[in-house]
Amino acid sequence: DVKVTQSSRYLVKRTGEKVFLECVQDMDHENMFWYRQDPGLGLRLIYFSYDVKMKEKGDIPEGYSVSREKKERFSLILESASTNQTSMYLCASVGFAYEQYFGPGTRLTVT
Amino acid sequence: QKEVEQNSGPLSVPEGAIASLNCTYSDRGSQSFFWYRQYSGKSPELIMFIYSNGDKEDGRFTAQLNKASQYVSLLIRDSQPSDSATYLCAVDTGRRALTFGSGTRLQVQP
Repeated sequence: DVKVTQSSRYLVKRTGEKVFLECVQDMDHENMFWYRQDPGLGLRLIYFSYDVKMKEKGDIPEGYSVSREKKERFSLILESASTNQTSMYLCASVGFAYEQYFGPGTRLTVT
Repeated sequence: QKEVEQNSGPLSVPEGAIASLNCTYSDRGSQSFFWYRQYSGKSPELIMFIYSNGDKEDGRFTAQLNKASQYVSLLIRDSQPSDSATYLCAVDTGRRALTFGSGTRLQVQP
C-alpha cells in the first residue's frame, strides 16, 4: 500500500509567520502535488513536482513556494502566512497510472 | 479552462439500493478518469480509475466511461450507510495533473 504522510494534522499560526508543511511518500514516486481544499471551491492545485529539484506552478501558486531536495519529501512553504491561507492542505503522490494518493491533510488556521 | 462537472447533491438513496453518480468533462483529449471518496474532514481516497470506454467493476463499484459523450459515472451497488460521503470525479489534464470536480454528496439512508 502507498503511504503518504504529512507532518501535522492541525496547525495554528499567526499572520506573517513562515510556515512549513511537509509531505513524505514511501513508494519512490516521481510526481508529487500540493493542493488546498476549501468549502465550495473544491481542490485547487498549488504546486507540483516531477522529480527532485523540479517544480511547476499550479493554478494558485501566489504566496507559496515549494522544495523537493529528496525524492520522497515535498515541502510546501507559506512565505508570510495570511488569514486567507487558512485551509485544508493536501499532499498527493502519483502512481504509474497517474492515480493520486493523498496524505491525511493538514488543517491550517492562520490568526 | 478544462472543467469537470458534478451535481453537488445531496443524492439520497435507501440502504441496499444502487447509487449512481455522474460526471461530465470538457477536454476531449482526456484519457484517464478517477473516482475518489472523501469522508467529512478526511482526505480523498482512491476508489478506482478507468481508461477505456465501457464498464469496469471492482467489488460493489462500477465505473462507466463514454468518451463520445464525455461522461463518466460511478455505480455503487448494495449501498451502505458507510458509503455516505462526497464522491470526487477527476480527469487527467495531459500534464500528469488531475482536474477534480467539486464532488457529489451521497447520503445512504438506513
